[in-house]
Amino acid sequence: GAVVSQHPSWVICKSGTSVKIECRSLDFQATTMFWYRQFPKQSLMLMATSNEGSKATYEQGVEKDKFLINHASLTLSTLTVTSAHPEDSSFYICSARAEVNYGYTFGSGTRLTVV
Amino acid sequence: QKEVEQDPGPLSVPEGAIVSLNCTYSNSAFQYFMWYRQYSRKGPELLMYTYSSGNKEDGRFTAQVDKSSKYISLFIRDSQPSDSATYLCAMSGGGTASKLTFGTGTRLQVTL
Repeated sequence: GAVVSQHPSWVICKSGTSVKIECRSLDFQATTMFWYRQFPKQSLMLMATSNEGSKATYEQGVEKDKFLINHASLTLSTLTVTSAHPEDSSFYICSARAEVNYGYTFGSGTRLTVV
Repeated sequence: QKEVEQDPGPLSVPEGAIVSLNCTYSNSAFQYFMWYRQYSRKGPELLMYTYSSGNKEDGRFTAQVDKSSKYISLFIRDSQPSDSATYLCAMSGGGTASKLTFGTGTRLQVTL
C-alpha cells in the first residue's frame, strides 16, 4: 500500500531558529502533497498544498514566508518553519494520495516544540 | 455552517458494543469519503475509503455513504479497548490534487 514517511517525529528548537520537516512517499510518486497543522484535541488544519516543481498553494491566514514549502521531486516535500516562536509549537502532518482509487495516506507527524 | 459536521464526543462504550459514528456534509461535490483513526500524537490512519454512495465492509468496520442525505457513517462491531482513539471523517471532490475536508473528529473510549 501507499506509505508516507515523515521525519523527524519530534524536534525541540530554540526560539528564532529554523526547523525542516521532511515528507517522503516511499512507494509511489506524489505530484501533490498536503501539509497540516494540528493543535491538541482539534482536527487537522490544512496549511498548504505542495506541488512538485512549482510554488505551494497556501491556505488563507498561513504565512508563506514563515512556512516554506519545497517539493523538488516526486517523492519529497519539505516544510521549513523559519524563525520559529513558541506559538509555532504544534503537531505537523503531511499527506499524499497515490491514486484516486485510494484514500489519502498520512505521515506519522512531527511534534515541534519551540523553547 | 461548517462543510462537514461531526459530533466531537467523547463517546464511551463498553467492550463488545457496536459503535456508530456519523458525519453530515453540505457540499454536494464530494465524491470520495474516508474514515481515519488517530491515536494520540500519531498521524491519521486510513480505515475505510468509499467512492460515491453505498456500503463497504472490512472486518469489524462498515462504512455507509448516503449522498442523497449527505450523511456518512462508520460502524464498529465487537469494539475493543484498542479501538479507543479519535475517528475523523474526511471527504474530497476529485483527483489526487483535491483537498481533503475533515470533520472535527469523535473521541471514542471503549471500556473493559
